[in-house]
Amino acid sequence: GESVGLHLPTLSVQEGDNSIINCAYSNSASDYFIWYKQESGKGPQFIIDIRSNMDKRQGQRVTVLLNKTVKHLSLQIAATQPGDSAVYFCAENKGSTLGRLYFGRGTQLTVWP
Amino acid sequence: AAGVIQSPRHLIKEKRETATLKCYPIPRHDTVYWYQQGPGQDPQFLISFYEKMQSDKGSIPDRFSAQQFSDYHSELNMSSLELGDSALYFCASSFGLAGSGANVLTFGAGSRLTVL
Repeated sequence: GESVGLHLPTLSVQEGDNSIINCAYSNSASDYFIWYKQESGKGPQFIIDIRSNMDKRQGQRVTVLLNKTVKHLSLQIAATQPGDSAVYFCAENKGSTLGRLYFGRGTQLTVWP
Repeated sequence: AAGVIQSPRHLIKEKRETATLKCYPIPRHDTVYWYQQGPGQDPQFLISFYEKMQSDKGSIPDRFSAQQFSDYHSELNMSSLELGDSALYFCASSFGLAGSGANVLTFGAGSRLTVL
């Protein structure tokens, strides 16, 4: 069925290193993709999104890459900080169902000092 | 800035009881969404409302119902609770049906329901 999934359930990095969190999706009809960060006991927090007609978008310390050929999405975090420790979800939104997000399984990012 | 407010934050119920969760969207947001997140799971879409009308329906059990009121707050009513209903329930809001850019979904902190 249609799904958005993640390759790794956990990722540990040293403070200051760059982090790359990956996501695979199966629905070619998705209109755009979003990365959310969820800290313990909190709701998902929007990080960055990218439309399906783009292949790269940059934010503050974060970059999202979209490879439609292999249906792959990644989130790159530069100079990872302890405050970046959280679960990261990718999600997709189809243009036909605005607002409904299909989440993939999260990746727990742990940043070591 | 005001965020999405959910209440209660924690709720403990027995099987077969009922529960009501409330969601107050960000001021001027007219669309609310409900998501359920089981332990270690990703959030699953339940239902959404735009301008007080149901706009989309996902995997919401028939035992659950929801509505959006004239002040745009929403309530999720859950009856005949089962152990499997134990989860975090998130409400999110947006101005208009969310797409990309400015009207992305903003989530609340969630209501944790425990069914014993």
